[in-house]
Amino acid sequence: GQQLNQSPQSMFIQEGEDVSMNCTSSSIFNTWLWYKQDPGEGPVLLIALYKAGELTSNGRLTAQFGITRKDSFLNISASIPSDVGIYFCAGQYGNKLVFGAGTILRVKS
Amino acid sequence: NAGVTQTPKFQVLKTGQSMTLQCAQDMNHNSMYWYRQDPGMGLRLIYYSASEGTTDKGEVPNGYNVSRLNKREFSLRLESAAPSQTSVYFCASSMTAPTAYGYTFGSGTRLTVV
Repeated sequence: GQQLNQSPQSMFIQEGEDVSMNCTSSSIFNTWLWYKQDPGEGPVLLIALYKAGELTSNGRLTAQFGITRKDSFLNISASIPSDVGIYFCAGQYGNKLVFGAGTILRVKS
Repeated sequence: NAGVTQTPKFQVLKTGQSMTLQCAQDMNHNSMYWYRQDPGMGLRLIYYSASEGTTDKGEVPNGYNVSRLNKREFSLRLESAAPSQTSVYFCASSMTAPTAYGYTFGSGTRLTVV
């Protein structure tokens, strides 16, 4: 089945730094989505991307849908302590979503 | 608040016991899903229901059964729990399947099988 390779697995960053994470796949997806999961909660949608090459921002977050439709990245600018959590990429194929393994973000305050 | 409600939030089972995880959504969504989350493996689809009256297997359906009771409710049943089913279970819903708008997730059920 489809698989998403998400990297890095985890990262510590200094408050104020920019963060980058990405997802790649051998399969083509129609939609890429980025979710954030806070401790003890379910994932919450951050950004959705619908077209190859699309670049979309949501506050300090920017995500791009790769031209080949097989990858996507998420950038967080000027990180703050509340950015802590697990970030998941997800790709839509057919009527289902497949998720990456997640990037654990820890912020050093 | 409107959304996806899961019960219970925590559960400990002994090997071989059965239980049903409940999920209800009040957003008038047509499609509902059950995922399990394990460390380092992300979210894996167990079963889904594209619309009321239909259910389909996902990536890891073995050991589970589901019931789409009505449009609002989608339950997940473990007939004979095994330690390998220790996980966090998430229910999600979406307006349609396929969807270009992602899912709304519940807050999860943390299950431990001893």
